[in-house]
Amino acid sequence: DIVLTQSPALAVSLGQRATISCRASQSVSISRYNLMHWYQQKPGQQPKLLIYRASNLASGIPARFSGSGSGTDFTLTINPVQADDIATYYCQQSRESPNTFGAGTKLELK
Amino acid sequence: EVQLQQSGAELGKPGTSVKLSCKVSGYNIRNTYMHWVNQRPGKGLEWIGRIDPANGNTIYAEKFKSKATLTADTSSNTAYMQLSQLKSDDTAIYFCAMGDYDGYYWGQGTLVTVSS
Repeated sequence: DIVLTQSPALAVSLGQRATISCRASQSVSISRYNLMHWYQQKPGQQPKLLIYRASNLASGIPARFSGSGSGTDFTLTINPVQADDIATYYCQQSRESPNTFGAGTKLELK
Repeated sequence: EVQLQQSGAELGKPGTSVKLSCKVSGYNIRNTYMHWVNQRPGKGLEWIGRIDPANGNTIYAEKFKSKATLTADTSSNTAYMQLSQLKSDDTAIYFCAMGDYDGYYWGQGTLVTVSS
């Protein structure tokens, strides 16, 4: 199985940049497609797709969210962070089954 | 607008089974994969498996191969997951989701509580 490693938590000030990383135990890329996706989850809610295929903004997601990376190293950036962004963020790969998730990074206010 | 509507909360006794449903509106499930993911209290997301509703083919995570059974009814655009031989550590929220290479769109989740 592909293991995705995320830092457990990140403290950030409102209006600043937040950078959340995800490292895969093996490449999640096929040809030019990087099959890594990012989700936001708030307490009591289902996950919401933010970024698909590493760098594509999902429908309705504000442009302050962006994604980058390829191969095994990926990054979700939120700039600037707003109060509504306080949540847990998960990366997920769909390169192969099982489609594994990272353990999540909890974004906290500094 | 695509919507995934899951069935209501379930209370199951140990050793019994429950069957959860996920009705999709606004998109034909024949054209996508349907996945199931769980989240134990205070924990992260865990992929259970997926079904291709067009042909019924399924893939399961190893630890769920004898726990979960995925089916789909294309006539009602609904996916199902049966959980068998319930134990206390099956207590979790179970999400259905659709998609694959472009990420997942999610249902609201169904809380399954296992208790005698």
